[in-house]
Amino acid sequence: SQTIHQWPATLVQPVGSPLSLECTVEGTSNPNLYWYRQAAGRGLQLLFYSVGIGQISSEVPQNLSASRPQDRQFILSSKKLLLSDSGFYLCAWTGAGDEQFFGPGTRLTVL
Amino acid sequence: AQSVSQHNHHVILSEAASLELGCNYSYGGTVNLFWYVQYPGQHLQLLLKYFSGDPLVKGIMGFVDEFINSKFSFNLRKPSVQWSDTAEYFCAVPAPGGNMLTFGGGTRLMVKP
Repeated sequence: SQTIHQWPATLVQPVGSPLSLECTVEGTSNPNLYWYRQAAGRGLQLLFYSVGIGQISSEVPQNLSASRPQDRQFILSSKKLLLSDSGFYLCAWTGAGDEQFFGPGTRLTVL
Repeated sequence: AQSVSQHNHHVILSEAASLELGCNYSYGGTVNLFWYVQYPGQHLQLLLKYFSGDPLVKGIMGFVDEFINSKFSFNLRKPSVQWSDTAEYFCAVPAPGGNMLTFGGGTRLMVKP
């Protein structure tokens, strides 16, 4: 069966520090991968998606970036965090259909 | 672009009350429709999905989804809610021509015991 992992689970970072969040998927190959941010009261905002290694599409301009160095690995990064980057970050994948499967999320607090 | 909106941001009900959460979307073609649920402290998970066919879909835990094509809407219903249904509910619709889902803003449901 397929599983999706995210780490860290929680993170507290100062403003201006770098960020790296990792997502890995097991049990499937060539998945579409997604990064979402869930801010309080604002639902799910799609940040990036990837249909293959090295292929990244950005949905929202911001100081975040994403990379996909391996088929089942998706990384969300920032060089300098802003206060507004605080939120709950979710990674998701799809296989052949439209249904998306979500990871446990990373709660990021920027102070 | 697809847009998805949920009618209520917060709903408070007493146990045994009936629930109806609405969701509207903008794209008029044939779509697959999803409801996701996030229980406190848990992953976002699929509650039910609709693929074109019977407009009434039965999901898990007594939830039912009704698809109303003429109004570009689909409603999540449960005749009698329980305290354990306290969660945030998201509807989602695929974006036209792609593999992305567009999510509504979510409805936070609180069921009072």
